[in-house]
This record gives sequence, structure tokens and C-alpha cells, in this order.
Amino acid sequence: DGGITQSPKYLFRKEGQNVTLSCEQNLNHDAMYWYRQDPGQGLRLIYYSQIVNDFQKGDIAEGYSVSREKKESFPLTVTSAQKNPTAFYLCATTDRGGNQPQHFGDGTRLSIL
Amino acid sequence: AQSVTQLGSHVSVSEGALVLLRCNYSSSVPPYLFWYVQYPNQGLQLLLKYTSAATLVKGINGFEAEFKKSETSFHLTKPSAHMSDAAEYFCAVSDETGANNLFFGTGTRLTVIP
Repeated sequence: DGGITQSPKYLFRKEGQNVTLSCEQNLNHDAMYWYRQDPGQGLRLIYYSQIVNDFQKGDIAEGYSVSREKKESFPLTVTSAQKNPTAFYLCATTDRGGNQPQHFGDGTRLSIL
Repeated sequence: AQSVTQLGSHVSVSEGALVLLRCNYSSSVPPYLFWYVQYPNQGLQLLLKYTSAATLVKGINGFEAEFKKSETSFHLTKPSAHMSDAAEYFCAVSDETGANNLFFGTGTRLTVIP
């Protein structure tokens, strides 16, 4: 989706290091989401934010942190506490209304060095 | 609690054959349902959505899905498979609380045999 930019596309993390994944959107959507995707497990929700300066934990928030200082941006930090960070990370956004679909970025693939 | 079950993690069809990908949902309120497609190393792209306007929903790339409340199903079909349909497909159901959260199935990888 051209309106959601995730960077970098590939990222490598050393042991004990924190890394930050960027997600920027120009769709003017209120809600933003971070998912983790592992083979055969579908998408699992890490964090989500319905409005600026507010966010909630998803199903697998441990070892991750987020911020939502601007409507357009929702960065995800993978901390050293996340012992198995190797995965494909997807950012999504959605507009107001219960029947609105989520729109996805092209993802960031994180690997451990 | 809401959930989605996709039967069959892998489905293979011959080019030109019918595509049928199965999705059953669980929800205590009338659901909103979605099908997404994912190509390798890309994000998810919306194929179609059900929002109670019509039980047969047409989407992009010739796909359609039928909502059957009695069977709690929302299966995805395409009359004739094309090589470009090879991808992973995800079914999702909306959050019962009215928020925009989605619950995804574990996905079905479609292989198209020439």
C-alpha cells in the first residue's frame, strides 16, 4: 500500500541490542497496528493505537515497545528482552468505523546476527 | 471470543480449476469479515470484505466469497485459477467490541499447478 511506508525492509540485530522499526502513513488514519508474522502462525498483534498519545498491548507485547507522538508515525522498538525477534513485522492502519479494513505496509524482515 | 479457522494450510489446484479456500468464524455478534492476499515478502492486500450489505461479496482478481450465517462460514472461491493467484490467503474477523481490531486465521498457501 503506497500510503504506508515501513523501513527498513531488512534489519539485522545483534545480541543485546534494541532496534526500531519505522512505520509512517499518509492516509490520515486514526488507528495503527503492529503485527508479527511467523511461518504457519498467521499474524499476531503486538501493539495498537487508536489515537495519538495512546496505545494498547496486543497478544504478544512482551519485549516490544511503541510510541505514538504523531498521527502519521507509529515506531516499534524490539528490545533485548525479546529473545526470539526473528520474524516479519507488518504495520497496518485503519480509518474510523467498525467495518473498515486494515491497510498494510510492505513489512520489515528482522533477523539476528 | 471471536476467532477464525482456516481449514487447510496448503491447497493445490491446477491452472483453470476452481479455487476454494475455507474459512469458519466464531463471533457472538454479527461479524465483519475480510479476505486478504499476501505475496512473498509483501504486506497484505485486501481482496474483499463482508459488512452485512449482501451475503455474496465480489472482490478483486475474480475472487468472491459467500457469507453463510447458519454454517458460520465465509469461504473464498474463484472459478478458474491463474498462475498469478499463487500466494497466501488470510481470513479475518472483526473485533466484537466495535474497535477496528481484526483477528486473523493462520493462512492458506495456494499453489497453482500449470
